[in-house]
Amino acid sequence: DAGVTQSPTHLIKTRGQQVTLRCSPKSGHDTVSWYQQALGQGPQFIFQYYEEEERQRGNFPDRFSGHQFPNYSSELNVNALLLGDSALYLCASSLEGIIYEQYFGPGTRLTVT
Amino acid sequence: GEDVEQSLFLSVREGDSSVINCTYTDSSSTYLYWYKQEPGAGLQLLTYIFSNMDMKQDQRLTVLLNKKDKHLSLRIADTQTGDSAIYFCAESIDGYNKLIFGAGTRLAVHP
Repeated sequence: DAGVTQSPTHLIKTRGQQVTLRCSPKSGHDTVSWYQQALGQGPQFIFQYYEEEERQRGNFPDRFSGHQFPNYSSELNVNALLLGDSALYLCASSLEGIIYEQYFGPGTRLTVT
Repeated sequence: GEDVEQSLFLSVREGDSSVINCTYTDSSSTYLYWYKQEPGAGLQLLTYIFSNMDMKQDQRLTVLLNKKDKHLSLRIADTQTGDSAIYFCAESIDGYNKLIFGAGTRLAVHP
């Protein structure tokens, strides 16, 4: 049973560029959440997708957007990258109604230069 | 408001018990969680406790919840070098799985 997978593992981008990160949820899960973890800090909630719609959003600007596909996989897009966007981006999946079991992927390390 | 606080560092001797503490501010928390993060890795769900419980035990792990004081603790019995990692406390306050994390406690286990 595959867990949550994310791609790519690492990414280096230049300030002002755009980036797309991808996530495949754990088998059987239908809800995907994205978190940003800056160095030395705890993860911060970006947004959550369920039934292909953004259901909740954290305190992140509109430069951060996402999408969920019919197979429940998800993408996180960040436009106009800033140096401060450098972080580990974590995807988590869960099953609607089973809120106490949320599983995280290994993350994508984004470096903005 | 939403805020979770943890002490930043804990050092213990191999074989001793470790106790990691966490305080949260939102009294409407439904579930509270402990996650483990090893270097360069994602988060591993260790255990969770429902807000109407006082204690939960799972093998070497014991979670204590004091809802009155909004205090959560994780006790690891017989701590091993493989337990060295960062431990995050988190709460969910609604039905949508949004987690609020603390800054993490780095546990160092020495011989």
